[in-house]
Amino acid sequence: ETGVTQTPRHLVMGMTNKKSLKCEQHLGHNAMYWYKQSAKKPLELMFVYNFKEQTENNSVPSRFSPECPNSSHLFLHLHTLQPEDSALYLCASSQASGSAEQYFGPGTRLTVT
Amino acid sequence: KQEVTQIPAALSVPEGENLVLNCSFTDSAIYNLQWFRQDPGKGLTSLLLIQSSQREQTSGRLNASLDKSSGRSTLYIAASQPGDSATYLCAVGANDYKLSFGAGTTVTVRA
Repeated sequence: ETGVTQTPRHLVMGMTNKKSLKCEQHLGHNAMYWYKQSAKKPLELMFVYNFKEQTENNSVPSRFSPECPNSSHLFLHLHTLQPEDSALYLCASSQASGSAEQYFGPGTRLTVT
Repeated sequence: KQEVTQIPAALSVPEGENLVLNCSFTDSAIYNLQWFRQDPGKGLTSLLLIQSSQREQTSGRLNASLDKSSGRSTLYIAASQPGDSATYLCAVGANDYKLSFGAGTTVTVRA
């Protein structure tokens, strides 16, 4: 098992709902990431946080709102999603170094109805 | 923009055969290259990390090589087992924490 946990593991939500995904890392890392994995497509980087500061927003729609209150926790707040947002959302962490190995959580399977 | 390609997309071999998975990338200015394993519906498990200054890394039955100048990496899995069945992902790291992923190679090892 990795030192990165994600909750919930599965989520079904309507297009008008508001929900949040949570990620926690127990590895003492300082960088955290959100990725999206859609069917038949490569993983896409969404957001990067380094020492709690957002350093990357990969042109993600505003209906996805990240929050990083400290180096161990990362949230992804969701509102007014579209069916095409259904995907596996993966959280990862690493040391705050460009050459650092990234460790992934198990993911949240999101279905938007 | 870094483009990462993995060939083949799927591979089926009998148990005991060696596996060779290929990864190519377009921009040779990389920081590292990471190989992951993903089981259906699950997260990613890191297998090997090769720094840009290294030529290869080994862990048990796994060996990964890196040739930056030609933009290629190869993952070798010796003496495959049914438990090796999974999707294997190659990811190229840049100096700004970004990983660019390939689409993966789905491996089936037949008992």
